[in-house]
Amino acid sequence: QKEVEQDPGPLSVPEGAIVSLNCTYSNSAFQYFMWYRQYSRKGPELLMYTYSSGNKEDGRFTAQVDKSSKYISLFIRDSQPSDSATYLCAMKAAGNKLTFGGGTRVLVKP
Amino acid sequence: GAGVSQSPSNKVTEKGKDVELRCDPISGHTALYWYRQRLGQGLEFLIYFQGNSAPDKSGLPSDRFSAERTGESVSTLTIQRTQQEDSAVYLCASSLMGDSSAQPQHFGDGTRLSIL
Repeated sequence: QKEVEQDPGPLSVPEGAIVSLNCTYSNSAFQYFMWYRQYSRKGPELLMYTYSSGNKEDGRFTAQVDKSSKYISLFIRDSQPSDSATYLCAMKAAGNKLTFGGGTRVLVKP
Repeated sequence: GAGVSQSPSNKVTEKGKDVELRCDPISGHTALYWYRQRLGQGLEFLIYFQGNSAPDKSGLPSDRFSAERTGESVSTLTIQRTQQEDSAVYLCASSLMGDSSAQPQHFGDGTRLSIL
């Protein structure tokens, strides 16, 4: 079983809808939680970075972390076709390396 | 440049050849990381540099893989006697500090390696 599980999708939504993404994990040592967006043939771009449980909001993006359930979420409000990409969750314990989920492909249809 | 720069962007080579991939981190970033991304999958950690030392090489898949870093700047990832399973995108990231710090990692666009 992978340390971080993420539904590969694809997730198809109409423009303006809320996109809901999530990851589950098994390693209780993870302390830092990130969401990256990756366009085709590009590197991952950091969207959200949170530490500990709770919510964090940045513009149209909201990240939630529930450490007790080992579950993190990303919500994208008022989705746009330009949000079509692969979204990767990533986590870090006290050390240095990131552990990634497999990514969810999102398609926002005009 | 402002971001992490990787070269070449694409590399096609024959099985058995050696390849060298290069990474220029963001200026001032002391920590540097290499990851591998196979088609349709998430990223796998390969190696971490703090300055020019590599305290964590745990992700290197075999002794055909090696990496070095000069000072707190450029890093090269070398794959010797390439195999078809080495085909992947190799991504480099850097951060202000590594190890237990909370600094986020910023990625380059990767080198897409294809082994024929």
